[in-house]
Amino acid sequence: LAKTTQPISMDSYEGQEVNITCSHNNIATNDYITWYQQFPSQGPRFIIQGYKTKVTNEVASLFIPADRKSSTLSLPRVSLSDTAVYYCLVGGGGRRALTFGSGTRLQVQP
Amino acid sequence: GAVVSQHPSRVICKSGTSVKIECRSLDFQATTMFWYRQFPKKSLMLMATSNEGSKATYEQGVEKDKFLINHASLTLSTLTVTSAHPEDSSFYICSAKGAGDTDTQYFGPGTRLTVL
Repeated sequence: LAKTTQPISMDSYEGQEVNITCSHNNIATNDYITWYQQFPSQGPRFIIQGYKTKVTNEVASLFIPADRKSSTLSLPRVSLSDTAVYYCLVGGGGRRALTFGSGTRLQVQP
Repeated sequence: GAVVSQHPSRVICKSGTSVKIECRSLDFQATTMFWYRQFPKKSLMLMATSNEGSKATYEQGVEKDKFLINHASLTLSTLTVTSAHPEDSSFYICSAKGAGDTDTQYFGPGTRLTVL
């Protein structure tokens, strides 16, 4: 199972762009990269998933370099409600579970 | 995204009793479901993997006789905590995914178990 490394915490202000980088040096060829958001006492919520290059949806962008050993979640113009823990996970193909690391605790201030 | 529900959302029980938690995929068929537990301010820890129609696979250190998992259909998995004790108090979260290799794993809202 690929291990991921993320910053433990980040601080930002409302309206700023936030970039959270995750390293996954041992990612396997068939592994996808998935990011989740979790609020206290709630289950993780899917944000975005990608394999390589760039993926964008209505809430975030995911940048993956050619070697796929890292990925960056980009949250444009964050608000107070984006304060949460963000998890980067790799793998989960087929019937394999996703293994959670420590996540990044993002605190957005006014 | 796909919707996964859990019931109950919160349960309080006495020590020694058993508690059943249901996990349902509402709008897709989940060939595989997973059960996690999470302690305060900690990350999710995988307990077991449940494939429809077969026995669950438990992670090392998780007692299969204490945490009974049944995945009888493509939309329902249950976790029964038998003879619960205060140390079993935790936040239990299920997730579900379809059969494809790229299918995303979707999580339920979680169940807060408190054992008195």
